[in-house]
Parts: sequence; structure tokens; C-alpha cells
Amino acid sequence: DTEVTQTPKHLVMGMTNKKSLKCEQHMGHRAMYWYKQKAKKPPELMFVYSYEKLSINESVPSRFSPECPNSSLLNLHLHALQPEDSALYLCASRPTSGGPSEQYFGPGTRLTVT
Amino acid sequence: AQSVTQPDIHITVSEGASLELRCNYSYGATPYLFWYVQSPGQGLQLLLKYFSGDTLVQGIKGFEAEFKRSQSSFNLRKPSVHWSDAAEYFCAVGGGSGNTGKLIFGQGTTLQVKP
Repeated sequence: DTEVTQTPKHLVMGMTNKKSLKCEQHMGHRAMYWYKQKAKKPPELMFVYSYEKLSINESVPSRFSPECPNSSLLNLHLHALQPEDSALYLCASRPTSGGPSEQYFGPGTRLTVT
Repeated sequence: AQSVTQPDIHITVSEGASLELRCNYSYGATPYLFWYVQSPGQGLQLLLKYFSGDTLVQGIKGFEAEFKRSQSSFNLRKPSVHWSDAAEYFCAVGGGSGNTGKLIFGQGTTLQVKP
């Protein structure tokens, strides 16, 4: 199984709502990533978790709150978002044992903030 | 500074024609290089990667890329393009050993295929 799954596929939320994005992988990867991607732009790294610990936060606003409950699951909690936060949110995972390796991406969650 | 440059924002080729997408990088350490493809509204799919060894690497869907250290380039090629290859292509560097594997992406090249 070389798949990263993300739910939901689409999400529409108001600026006062609280919602969560979910990412799951069963490849035994111990590094997991959240990216934000605007149309026609490359993915922008938001957070990196390594062995369930937050290792990188790319100065992301606190209205985005990541969580890694276990080695297979990564959540992104959303609260009080702004319309400019509308984007495709991608999750990725990567093995960390040994030498270099690639990231495996999920299909993304299309988020619209109204 | 670490960076990836994809000089061509948009490329149009005829179906059956050959393709080359350019990628130049600036990276302080041993570069680990990747090409990803993204169809509209989808996630990124890895086409191929270069870590070490043979500088000509083969990937999925008939793509290949050549690493040229002297030119700091990792160009992607395909001898005959199919309509289904129309997509956004991203070159990336990084992802080395260790716990973070942070990637630096180029701005992407949009490939349009004419029938």
C-alpha cells in the first residue's frame, strides 16, 4: 500500500467555523507534512512532523493547528480562517530510515472559506 | 541560497512530439532531485528521482531525466507526448537523509498538448 489518503475531498466553511482535515498513511512512514497550494503555484510547506513530533512550523498563523495523534495519522485543525486561506491542502509522508527518499502526496482537500 | 528555477512557465507541444522541460537548481549540499506531475485538482505524483549513480534516470509514463552537475540542471524529457500528459510539472530539490526531508519546489511548468 503506497497510498496517502485525505478527507474530506472538499470543504466549505465560514470564517467562524471550526473544522479539521485528516490525513492517513499505512506505509510505516515516520515523517508527515502539510502543504498549502494556491492555483498555478507550487506547494508551500506548512508543517513537518517527525516521529509524531512537530519539527518544522513555517511561521504558519495560529488559526491552523496541526496534530499527529499516532504514526499513521495527521490532522490539521482549522479555526477562524480568512477567505485568503482558500486553497488545496496537501498531505505527504516520507520514510525516514536510512538515506534519501521521496515524499508521497495525498490527493488533497480543496478548502473554500466563505 | 537554495532555489529551483523552471524557466518555462507554459509549454505547448503537439501530440506525438518530443518534450523537454528545463530545471536548474542551486543547492549547497548533495542535491537530491525530483520531478512531480500534478493533474488539475489532484495531488502530486512522483515521476522520477535522482539520488546518485547513473545520471540518466528513467521514470514512470515514459519520462526520463538527466542530471548534469556542471550545469546544475535536471531536465525532464519524453520522446513522444500523449494528450494525457497535459498537466503541471514541478521540479524539486532536497529531501535528503534525515528527519525533515524538506523540498524546494520550482514554480512549475504547465504543459498543454495539441491534438
